[in-house]
Amino acid sequence: AQTVTQSQPEMSVQEAETVTLSCTYDTSESDYYLFWYKQPPSRQMILVIRQEAYKQQNATENRFSVNFQKAAKSFSLKISDSQLGDAAMYFCAYRSSNAGGTSYGKLTFGQGTILTVHP
Amino acid sequence: NAGVTQTPKFRVLKTGQSMTLLCAQDMNHEYMYWYRQDPGMGLRLIHYSVGEGTTAKGEVPDGYNVSRLKKQNFLLGLESAAPSQTSVYFCASSYSPRSSYEQYFGPGTRLTVT
Repeated sequence: AQTVTQSQPEMSVQEAETVTLSCTYDTSESDYYLFWYKQPPSRQMILVIRQEAYKQQNATENRFSVNFQKAAKSFSLKISDSQLGDAAMYFCAYRSSNAGGTSYGKLTFGQGTILTVHP
Repeated sequence: NAGVTQTPKFRVLKTGQSMTLLCAQDMNHEYMYWYRQDPGMGLRLIHYSVGEGTTAKGEVPDGYNVSRLKKQNFLLGLESAAPSQTSVYFCASSYSPRSSYEQYFGPGTRLTVT
């Protein structure tokens, strides 16, 4: 079974600065997908960024980028020019590319990292 | 286009009571999921459905039942609530489990069992 670990329960950053959230995962599969979700106080789960394991290029979405190290099974999220609205819980998640079996597209989540942004 | 909706948003139950959480999606998605979120544990899959009339167990199915009588609805039932089922429950749906198709989440239901 796959596992996802976020070793930083809490992180903080000053507004306009850069912060990196860590995520490691364990899998025996070679093809899979990785995601970062944001959960603000409203509880709504918002997809921030996704990465396909077969792509070597790191995904970017505006101020959000990832550092995907497949061999090390590491998937960190970098937030540049942090804004007050970035304050939230961030979850790293894994999804197998095997659509059948016991997977059926389920997401395996890490424990989450609470990000605080100081003005 | 409402996306994924959940009813109710909040509920307090006494131990032993029963209730049903309703999830509805208007995106014609085949795949639907129920997760629970607990502090320090992220979200964990309770049950899922790959189409109308089909359901299957996830990681933490004990104490829950589900039904998918209509494609757009996925119901989660608690027959005899226990304090260990105090949690935030999320429903999600997806067009396909393949590729990088996004899972769309509902707003969550906060359930407290006393």
